[in-house]
Amino acid sequence: DAKTTQPPSMDCAEGRAANLPCNHSTISGNEYVYWYRQIHSQGPQYIIHGLKNNETNEMASLIITEDRKSSTLILPHATLRDTAVYYCIYGSGNTGKLIFGQGTTLQVKP
Amino acid sequence: KAGVTQTPRYLIKTRGQQVTLSCSPISGHRSVSWYQQTPGQGLQFLFEYFSETQRNKGNFPGRFSGRQFSNSRSEMNVSTLELGDSALYLCASSLARNYEQYFGPGTRLTVT
Repeated sequence: DAKTTQPPSMDCAEGRAANLPCNHSTISGNEYVYWYRQIHSQGPQYIIHGLKNNETNEMASLIITEDRKSSTLILPHATLRDTAVYYCIYGSGNTGKLIFGQGTTLQVKP
Repeated sequence: KAGVTQTPRYLIKTRGQQVTLSCSPISGHRSVSWYQQTPGQGLQFLFEYFSETQRNKGNFPGRFSGRQFSNSRSEMNVSTLELGDSALYLCASSLARNYEQYFGPGTRLTVT
């Protein structure tokens, strides 16, 4: 099963950018990187995904390194409501199977 | 567009009983996946359904089963409940396999 490496926890000041790293050194060339987050006791929420180019949507930006072995999720102006566990995922192939690691607990502080 | 709905939201059962959980995907979504979340094991994949067929199964005993109907709605069943089955059960839907998944709020099952 695919495995990503994320720091267990991070802090960020409210209003500042939160940069969450993920290592996925065994990713294959056609596998997407997905980011989800889970706010306490709620279902995970899809944030963004990408293959090789950087991506941006209304929630976040995703920066993928050229060798695709790592990526960074950027929340440009973190708010208290962004406090959550963030999961970086890849490797389900052409299936609906997501393999969740332990994720990064992001604490946004006032 | 309405999100993924799961019923019931909370459930309390006794050891040895069985339970059926229901999931209604986002309209137009054909793939449904189920996950179990516990404090000790985190989020674990249970199974995936697409076009009424189970396409993938996680490492869970045969007491865990599911099905998908022609309208893409899905149910999962757990028979002979054990205390360790207490968990948050999450359903996710996507347009098709390998698309981003959208999760429901989950069903909190407590086995006593």
